[in-house]
Amino acid sequence: LAKTTQPISMDSYEGQEVNITCSHNNIATNDYITWYQQFPSQGPRFIIQGYKTKVTNEVASLFIPADRKSSTLSLPRVSLSDTAVYYCLVGDYGQNFVFGPGTRLSVLP
Amino acid sequence: GAGVSQTPSNKVTEKGKYVELRCDPISGHTALYWYRQSLGQGPEFLIYFQGTGAADDSGLPNDRFFAVRPEGSVSTLKIQRTERGDSAVYLCASSLWGTSRPNEQFFGPGTRLTVL
Repeated sequence: LAKTTQPISMDSYEGQEVNITCSHNNIATNDYITWYQQFPSQGPRFIIQGYKTKVTNEVASLFIPADRKSSTLSLPRVSLSDTAVYYCLVGDYGQNFVFGPGTRLSVLP
Repeated sequence: GAGVSQTPSNKVTEKGKYVELRCDPISGHTALYWYRQSLGQGPEFLIYFQGTGAADDSGLPNDRFFAVRPEGSVSTLKIQRTERGDSAVYLCASSLWGTSRPNEQFFGPGTRLTVL
């Protein structure tokens, strides 16, 4: 399973764009890149998934360079409610995930 | 629709006791996962079911841990001779294969297990 590395914590202010970058140097050809969000006392929640290039949905964008050795989750105009832990995972279809410690994002007023 | 539910939400037990944790996945989801999460850490994979069978149980820490899913829906995680180190939040997730988001797992709220 591919190992991921992401910052332990980040601070931002309301209304700013937040970019969280994840490194996954040994990503395999069949691996997808998936991001989850977790609030205290809740299970993780799927945010976005991609394989290559750029993916955008109603809450975030995911940028993946051509070599796929990293990815960047972009949260536009964050609010206080975006304060959470964000996990980057890589894995094949239906594969079990190896969660690291994630990135603890604190959004300040 | 209903999400993944887990019962009980909290369980306090004494060292050496036996506990069962239940997971009700989203109806129709064929894949079911168990994780456990300690404070400040990401979820740690325990076991994965595809239908009734355990497709991967490599994350079970030792033979005190066992999980079943006899009818391919509800699953029970069983822990024998509990130890204080088993204290954690146990998370269950389910997913539906064949969708456009193949790695989207739906997590339940977890069961907080405390072993005194």
